[in-house]
Amino acid sequence: EVQLLESGGGLVHPGGSLRLSCVSSGFTFSRYAMAWVRQIPGKGLGWVSTISSPGSTYYPDSVKGRFTVSRDNSKSTVFLQMDRLTAEDTAVYYCARAAKADTIFGGEVEYWGQGTLVTVSS
Amino acid sequence: QSALTQPASVSGSPGQSITISCTGTYSDIGDYNYVSWYQQHPGRAPKLLIFDVSSRPSGVSNRFSGSKSGNMASLTISGLQTEDEADYYCSSYSSTSTLVVFGGGTRLTVL
Repeated sequence: EVQLLESGGGLVHPGGSLRLSCVSSGFTFSRYAMAWVRQIPGKGLGWVSTISSPGSTYYPDSVKGRFTVSRDNSKSTVFLQMDRLTAEDTAVYYCARAAKADTIFGGEVEYWGQGTLVTVSS
Repeated sequence: QSALTQPASVSGSPGQSITISCTGTYSDIGDYNYVSWYQQHPGRAPKLLIFDVSSRPSGVSNRFSGSKSGNMASLTISGLQTEDEADYYCSSYSSTSTLVVFGGGTRLTVL
């Protein structure tokens, strides 16, 4: 059974940092692209970052230069380092796994974590 | 403002069919066959319904189907059921540095 378990969310002051972790199990982690997707409560989904199976990374302009995604294949874990946080980053952050292994990731996420809430407030 | 444009809401009656549109550009939907659709019920994580424009993951009902024409993708739900009432999101591969973009979401009401 595929499982994704996020941790690291919480309350942080504007300008602060947080590091999210997502421990995976039930599949060969190194073969899949992984992503972070966020959702402001009551609002739509927003793409935060992607890391391909070889380790290439991608970000939307809204987080580029502030967020860094990385992966540790030996621990089946993907990380999201979030720096210079603002109130607009307040959201539930989901860890997500691509539907297909060993191929171009086109945004097809088949498995999602339960989400971790990040609140940026003074 | 989302990169892909969806109607804010659609509605239908049980047993009917509805279609949700998702409009992009030549940088995403128009040039790539990597369109996905997700269903999200309140308080739950999204569920993948369609990927690669028209493919269904194992276990997804064949009442859900996807298609694409030019810069617009569509999700059709046939034989509407009350449990289909949810939010629906499209996404697409993008040639921009973002790699993937979402639509703003469509709230489906089953009357």
